[in-house]
Amino acid sequence: GAVVSQHPSRVICKSGTSVKIECRSLDFQATTMFWYRQFPKQSLMLMATSNEGSKATYEQGVEKDKFLINHASLTLSTLTVTSAHPEDSSFYICSASGRDQETQYFGPGTRLLVL
Amino acid sequence: KQEVTQIPAALSVPEGENLVLNCSFTDSAIYNLQWFRQDPGKGLTSLLLIQSSQREQTSGRLNASLDKSSGRSTLYIAASQPGDSATYLCAGGGSQGNLIFGKGTKLSVKP
Repeated sequence: GAVVSQHPSRVICKSGTSVKIECRSLDFQATTMFWYRQFPKQSLMLMATSNEGSKATYEQGVEKDKFLINHASLTLSTLTVTSAHPEDSSFYICSASGRDQETQYFGPGTRLLVL
Repeated sequence: KQEVTQIPAALSVPEGENLVLNCSFTDSAIYNLQWFRQDPGKGLTSLLLIQSSQREQTSGRLNASLDKSSGRSTLYIAASQPGDSATYLCAGGGSQGNLIFGKGTKLSVKP
């Protein structure tokens, strides 16, 4: 099956710094990528949907100026957490789907810890 | 290594039927079990989250159970409707937040 990678798998940063997380589709063209986060003991929640070459669509309650999403190519999307704070500490997962939009392939996730 | 399996891969039922979707996992040291709904072109929608200490969760017409000893979870949908047509995914959660997904069950509810 299709493979989606995320980098880094784990990151620790100081409060106020920005962190970039990459999501890559390794063997298919991802026309749509999704970004999720999961806080401890909570369910996975969708943050935003991005289509290649266009602006991301953010879910209600997700600050688009804080969580910058770039989907400049069919194989790469990045999520930048700007001016990270401890409450942003979470598990971030991306998924990607091809043109058929039928199946989403999930990355392994990135654990972010903001001190 | 945790593996999650969902059976059946596809299911078609007439409107109004009650149905059960099955999910099995290999590692009973599961932190939680989550059920999601996936519509074409859309992000996942979380349906139910069952912590490892719980046996079931209910939301409206949905009921999910968790049996760690047998490595199984079921999602029960009562009085199915055409709007329930979607792909349903279960995922086993580890203590680090990592999720292992099954491949999903594609449900079609015929009017």
